[in-house]
Amino acid sequence: EAGVVQSPRYKIIEKKQPVAFWCNPISGHNTLYWYLQNLGQGPELLIRYENEEAVDDSQLPKDRFSAERLKGVDSTLKIQPAELGDSAVYLCASSARGETDTQYFGPGTRLTVL
Amino acid sequence: SQKIEQNSEALNIQEGKTATLTCNYTNYSPAYLQWYRQDPGRGPVFLLLIRENEKEKRKERLKVTFDTTLKQSLFHITASQPADSATYLCALADDYKLSFGAGTTVTVRA
Repeated sequence: EAGVVQSPRYKIIEKKQPVAFWCNPISGHNTLYWYLQNLGQGPELLIRYENEEAVDDSQLPKDRFSAERLKGVDSTLKIQPAELGDSAVYLCASSARGETDTQYFGPGTRLTVL
Repeated sequence: SQKIEQNSEALNIQEGKTATLTCNYTNYSPAYLQWYRQDPGRGPVFLLLIRENEKEKRKERLKVTFDTTLKQSLFHITASQPADSATYLCALADDYKLSFGAGTTVTVRA
């Protein structure tokens, strides 16, 4: 069984540029999460989807961040414009219906903003 | 304010010894607590879950305890091996939402 797939794995951009990250969860997992992980810290939840509905986006900085999960499968997280402080690893995770106590993480996208 | 604290120092141990990691929390009432392993350049991997009404959980060489009175979980790796070298994260769960500690890096010397 394939795990959570994320792309790109690495991204380097200039500040003020836009950037997008893509995530494909484990097949059949209806819950999808985006996390941000700073160096030396644990992941922090940005947004959670149940199918195509964002059920918790309270931690998403909506002035520059947006996310979508149009068909309830894969998802895109976008930052526009990027700031220096956005440099971090962006992790995607998924869990099965009724099993939200077990989250499966992807490898993450490491973003560097110059 | 809410806080999750793990061993502030990295742990260096000799192969075969037991590693003990600590996770303390304040201002949380978690329904359950999880431990994850994270290797460099990879996402966290789920290891164990322990619920608030459970005192201890075991999986192979791993053991977790959960004391809701002390607001503490201990994570033990027995008979440690160099392959156990990684960062270990504790996470407190409130419904679906996980709040992670900063992690403790364990290095097992051969």
